[in-house]
Amino acid sequence: DIVMTQSPLSLPVTPGEPASISCRSSQSLLYSNGYNYLYWYLQKPGQSPQLLIYLGSNRASGVPDRFSGSGSGTDFTLKISRVEAEDVGLYYCMQALQRLTFGQGTRLEIK
Amino acid sequence: EVQLVESGGGLVQPGGSLRLSCAASGFIFSDHWMSWVRQAPGKGLEWVANIKEDGSVKDYLDSVRDRFTISRDNAKNSVYLHMNSLRTEDSAMYYCVSQTMVVSWGRGTLVTVSS
Repeated sequence: DIVMTQSPLSLPVTPGEPASISCRSSQSLLYSNGYNYLYWYLQKPGQSPQLLIYLGSNRASGVPDRFSGSGSGTDFTLKISRVEAEDVGLYYCMQALQRLTFGQGTRLEIK
Repeated sequence: EVQLVESGGGLVQPGGSLRLSCAASGFIFSDHWMSWVRQAPGKGLEWVANIKEDGSVKDYLDSVRDRFTISRDNAKNSVYLHMNSLRTEDSAMYYCVSQTMVVSWGRGTLVTVSS
C-alpha cells in the first residue's frame, strides 16, 4: 500500500497568519492521464471529512480561495493564506491512485 | 450534486452480523469504483474495502477479509457491506466513498460492537 506521511501533526496558528501542511507519498501519485490522485480533507468534530482540494490542486466547490493545494509526484502541500477561527480541525491528505490510504492527520488549532 | 447516504449501523454483540447500505445519487454510479472507509473513535481513517464498477473486482483490508463482503446493485445505485463475525475492534463510523474524480463521502453510519 502507498504510505502517506503528513507534517506537522500539530499546527498552532495565529488568526490572520498563513499555515502550511506537507504530505509525502511512498510512491508517485501522478497517473498517466496527468492527474495527481491526491486529496485534502478537513474533518471537524462530529462530522465526516469535507473535501478541500482534489487532484492535487483543484479547490472543491464552496471552499474559500484562501485554501490552495500544490505539488506533484510524491510531495504535496496544502496552504491556508490567512487562517480563520473556522479552519480549526483535523486535516488529512489521501491518495486515490490505489487502495485509499491516508496521512495521520494534522490538528490545526488557534493560538 | 453527489449524495451518499449510509444506513444499517447499530449496536451488535461480538460475533454478530450487520449489513451496511449506501444509496448514491448525483453521478453515474455504474461508472465508478466505490469504497468503504472506517474511523474508530478518536482514531484516523482506514480503508476497508472497494469494488469495481461492474462488481467483478473486490478488495479488502486484511483484517476484514473472510468476514466482510462488499457488493453493489447498479440498478439501485447502491453499495453494501456485509459484516460477519464482528469484533470489538470493528467498532467505528463507516463511510461510503465514491471514487469519482472529486472523491465524495457520505455522513457515515456508526457501528458499535459490544456485549
